[in-house]
Amino acid sequence: GEDVEQSLFLSVREGDSSVINCTYTDSSSTYLYWYKQEPGAGLQLLTYIFSNMDMKQDQRLTVLLNKKDKHLSLRIADTQTGDSAIYFCAEKVPGTYKYIFGTGTRLKVLA
Amino acid sequence: KAGVTQTPRYLIKTRGQQVTLSCSPISGHRSVSWYQQTPGQGLQFLFEYFSETQRNKGNFPGRFSGRQFSNSRSEMNVSTLELGDSALYLCASSLGGPTLDYEQYFGPGTRLTVT
Repeated sequence: GEDVEQSLFLSVREGDSSVINCTYTDSSSTYLYWYKQEPGAGLQLLTYIFSNMDMKQDQRLTVLLNKKDKHLSLRIADTQTGDSAIYFCAEKVPGTYKYIFGTGTRLKVLA
Repeated sequence: KAGVTQTPRYLIKTRGQQVTLSCSPISGHRSVSWYQQTPGQGLQFLFEYFSETQRNKGNFPGRFSGRQFSNSRSEMNVSTLELGDSALYLCASSLGGPTLDYEQYFGPGTRLTVT
């Protein structure tokens, strides 16, 4: 099927780490992405990982990829109130220009 | 460099009418994709254009159509609007070259409400 799955909600305290998980559909997907959407706005590309990598770190963001389990995660270190948003994972369908997005995880950061 | 722009930002239409939404990609980007975002269905891919040609299409009825102009600007059209077409319509652009580049940037979206 074409369902990329994410948990719907995550609540963390300011300063803690957040981990958002995603299960994608196609083990041959070459690029996997994380996007952030704030209220009333479009999607902001946060980071992406190529399928030959297990991990990618970009400042406070760490992406982990487990190809065997088709599992992708995004860790946000030292989470701030400004990180409150909906986070989407996405995969690029191999050989196409089509992206499939997850259902989105709403992150709420408590002060 | 200016980002992806979409016009209008908000639109209210009546059932049965048609609507045209516009998207201007980032300068130099030749690929434009359209998505529909609703609370129930999430983000659904509509279609993608490159050099005025549709390269990929999602699973939407024929009432949804699009086109791309020589300057890479794109429009999407929805005819015979239904209440279920109420959504945020997002446009995304990328370089879109033959090497299947991987960075896609989104506009702020057009919020369409059908009454």
